[in-house]
Amino acid sequence: AQTVTQSQPEMSVQEAETVTLSCTYDTSESNYYLFWYKQPPSRQMILVIRQEAYKQQNATENRFSVNFQKAAKSFSLKISDSQLGDTAMYFCAFMKQGAQKLVFGQGTRLTINP
Amino acid sequence: NAGVTQTPKFQVLKTGQSMTLQCAQDMNHNSMYWYRQDPGMGLRLIYYSASEGTTDKGEVPNGYNVSRLNKREFSLRLESAAPSQTSVYFCASSPIGAANYGYTFGSGTRLTVV
Repeated sequence: AQTVTQSQPEMSVQEAETVTLSCTYDTSESNYYLFWYKQPPSRQMILVIRQEAYKQQNATENRFSVNFQKAAKSFSLKISDSQLGDTAMYFCAFMKQGAQKLVFGQGTRLTINP
Repeated sequence: NAGVTQTPKFQVLKTGQSMTLQCAQDMNHNSMYWYRQDPGMGLRLIYYSASEGTTDKGEVPNGYNVSRLNKREFSLRLESAAPSQTSVYFCASSPIGAANYGYTFGSGTRLTVV
């Protein structure tokens, strides 16, 4: 079974700083997908970014980018120029190819301070 | 607005009471899911329905039942609620063959069992 681990329960940075959230996963699969979801205080789950394991190029979405290290089974999220609206819980998630089930990490609570 | 609608948003139950959480999507998605979110544990899959007429157990199915009423609706039933079922419940959906692009989530139901 796949597992996803987020080792940072909470993080806090100042507005405009860059912050990196860590995620590691355990799988014997070679093809899979990785995701970062954001959950603001509204509780809504919002897809931030997605990575396909067979692509070496790291995914980027505006201020959000990932550092995907397949051999190390690591998938970190970098938020550049952080904004107050980035304050949220962030979840890393894994899905193996051909499956439909998302496996989530424990989450990291990120606070952006003014 | 198109999306996944969950009802109710909040509920308090007494131990032993039963209730059904409702979920409906209007995106013509084939697959639907129920997750529970607990502090420090991320989101865990309770049940999922890959397509109309099928349901399968996820990671934490004990104490729950589901019904895929039609393509739009997927309900979660607690027959005899227990305090351990206090949680936030999320319904989600995905189109057939495209779960690897991520789910669309509902806004969640906060359930408290006293």
